[in-house]
Amino acid sequence: GAVVSQHPSRVICKSGTSVKIECRSLDFQATTMFWYRQFPKQSLMLMATSNEGSKATYEQGVEKDKFLINHASLTLSTLTVTSAHPEDSSFYICSARVLASGTQYFGPGTRLLVL
Amino acid sequence: DAKTTQPPSMDCAEGRAANLPCNHSTISGNEYVYWYRQIHSQGPQYIIHGLKNNETNEMASLIITEDRKSSTLILPHATLRDTAVYYCIVRVAGGSQGNLIFGKGTKLSVKP
Repeated sequence: GAVVSQHPSRVICKSGTSVKIECRSLDFQATTMFWYRQFPKQSLMLMATSNEGSKATYEQGVEKDKFLINHASLTLSTLTVTSAHPEDSSFYICSARVLASGTQYFGPGTRLLVL
Repeated sequence: DAKTTQPPSMDCAEGRAANLPCNHSTISGNEYVYWYRQIHSQGPQYIIHGLKNNETNEMASLIITEDRKSSTLILPHATLRDTAVYYCIVRVAGGSQGNLIFGKGTKLSVKP
């Protein structure tokens, strides 16, 4: 299957700082990438859909000014959590879609802890 | 996208087949059935997907009923490493249609 990477895998930051998470499709080009968030013992929640070269589409209740998404190339999307607070602590997972088949492949996730 | 219903948990003995059911009674004609699994603290892993014919790959088999209202994922010889939450999701495949919306899935525990 296709490979998606995320960096960093784990990050601890102070409240009020910003954190950038990178998502890369390693062996395919992805015009569409997705960002999910998962709190402990809960399922994945879709945050936003990222389209290469255009603005991201955010799900209801997700603040676009707080979670900045950039999809500048066909293999890279970034999620920046701005002015992070402890309630933003979560497991953030990206996904990339193979255009031809529509199958989505997921990255390994980034665990964010805001102190 | 159509909703799916899965049992919250299942147990399976190591070496035996694990049969995970999924109901999707409101599935549309152009929606596929996708299965993913998530091992603890990892990103979801794609397993298999199908439209109406049964499918098999190196990981699992997918059996879809003729009316497409339900399906079963079969892990033929479960190992301890197959312990995970398994998600059954229906969505339109191909192109840019539809997103993967995750339900609660089935927590499969493979026991020695």
